[in-house]
Amino acid sequence: AQSVAQPEDQVNVAEGNPLTVKCTYSVSGNPYLFWYVQYPNRGLQFLLKYITGDNLVKGSYGFEAEFNKSQTSFHLKKPSALVSDSALYFCAVRDRNFNKFYFGSGTKLNVKP
Amino acid sequence: DTEVTQTPKHLVMGMTNKKSLKCEQHMGHRAMYWYKQKAKKPPELMFVYSYEKLSINESVPSRFSPECPNSSLLNLHLHALQPEDSALYLCASSLYDPDSPLHFGNGTRLTVT
Repeated sequence: AQSVAQPEDQVNVAEGNPLTVKCTYSVSGNPYLFWYVQYPNRGLQFLLKYITGDNLVKGSYGFEAEFNKSQTSFHLKKPSALVSDSALYFCAVRDRNFNKFYFGSGTKLNVKP
Repeated sequence: DTEVTQTPKHLVMGMTNKKSLKCEQHMGHRAMYWYKQKAKKPPELMFVYSYEKLSINESVPSRFSPECPNSSLLNLHLHALQPEDSALYLCASSLYDPDSPLHFGNGTRLTVT
């Protein structure tokens, strides 16, 4: 079965500092991995995905993610955090054979001025 | 702005009421989803429609009844709900392709009194 885990409920970072939001995955076969962001009272917005190819994936709003097969991780990163990045972040994996997405438990990112 | 439109944005209903949630997308996506989300939790899959046919029902109680009238529209009919059904109901769509992300609407905030 496919699954993803987000080990941190909350991440606090100062504005201008680099940020990392962690995600590990457990899949059979090659993973199809995604990151989403959710602002209060809004739906989830797609940030980036890893399907194949380069291990460093670039996405929206300056975010990037590093795929590491040996560590089964797909951490979300940004070189310089903004206060406006404060939101709830979800990692997800898509089942290749069914139209199912499995979401992590979510990580609340707090960026302080 | 999201390309998946959900109406209404807010809904308050009594336990004996019948109401419907609506979702519309014009991106040509042939997979459409209903998710339920409680505060600060990941979305929980309820139903998936593939090419206008119900392909996944995650053992959802029969008081929730989905309908897909055509490839652009998705409805969720509600009847005899319980207070614990109060949540954010999210509609999403995607291409029928394993590397395609979900596109979410902004949801309907449902309160059952």
